Amino acid sequence: GAGVSQSPSNKVTEKGKDVELRCDPISGHTALYWYRQSLGQGLEFLIYFQGNSAPDKSGLPSDRFSAERTGGSVSTLTIQRTQQEDSAVYLCASSLGTSVSYEQYFGPGTRLTVT
Amino acid sequence: AQSVAQPEDQVNVAEGNPLTVKCTYSVSGNPYLFWYVQYPNRGLQFLLKYITGDNLVKGSYGFEAEFNKSQTSFHLKKPSALVSDSALYFCAVTLLSGYALNFGKGTSLLVTP
Repeated sequence: GAGVSQSPSNKVTEKGKDVELRCDPISGHTALYWYRQSLGQGLEFLIYFQGNSAPDKSGLPSDRFSAERTGGSVSTLTIQRTQQEDSAVYLCASSLGTSVSYEQYFGPGTRLTVT
Repeated sequence: AQSVAQPEDQVNVAEGNPLTVKCTYSVSGNPYLFWYVQYPNRGLQFLLKYITGDNLVKGSYGFEAEFNKSQTSFHLKKPSALVSDSALYFCAVTLLSGYALNFGKGTSLLVTP
């Protein structure tokens, strides 16, 4: 079946611009996660959504970052006033739930370059 | 707090030889440990996990890992490496109270013919 998809696959933007990254999770998966992969910081958790519960935003690095999940499915990660340090690969993952019994399935990522 | 450490940035192994990729963890509770693999230009793929039970966990592609509580380690192993195993390997930990994964920095595995 279809896996997690992300768009765009690559995004180049100028410093100060806003960007939106999209994630389509696997159908039926109630949990959705955003991570960031960068050379300096490795893989960092950003935010996760579980069903209709309030999201866990504890990993967001600044208030320029926000995310929403509409209808319990598609999620959008928005970065406002992008900075060069935001350059990274942004990975989305989904799972059947947040129990550790359920593995997380990752999408291919969106490579963001801020010039 | 919870974290994992992967002490080796790169591991080089000859094809056919056994391989080990090291991971140690630090948690204030019972750890749930994972290994993921990332092939070039692709997303992370789940390999295996330790939740409870047997300390030796078997996973995909012939990989296994041993949970060692006394040494706080969860090393990834394979008896006979393949060139196609060359990839970036990540160890991760979480606590039951929150399922966000904390990843290590990753270890690049290079298997040479």
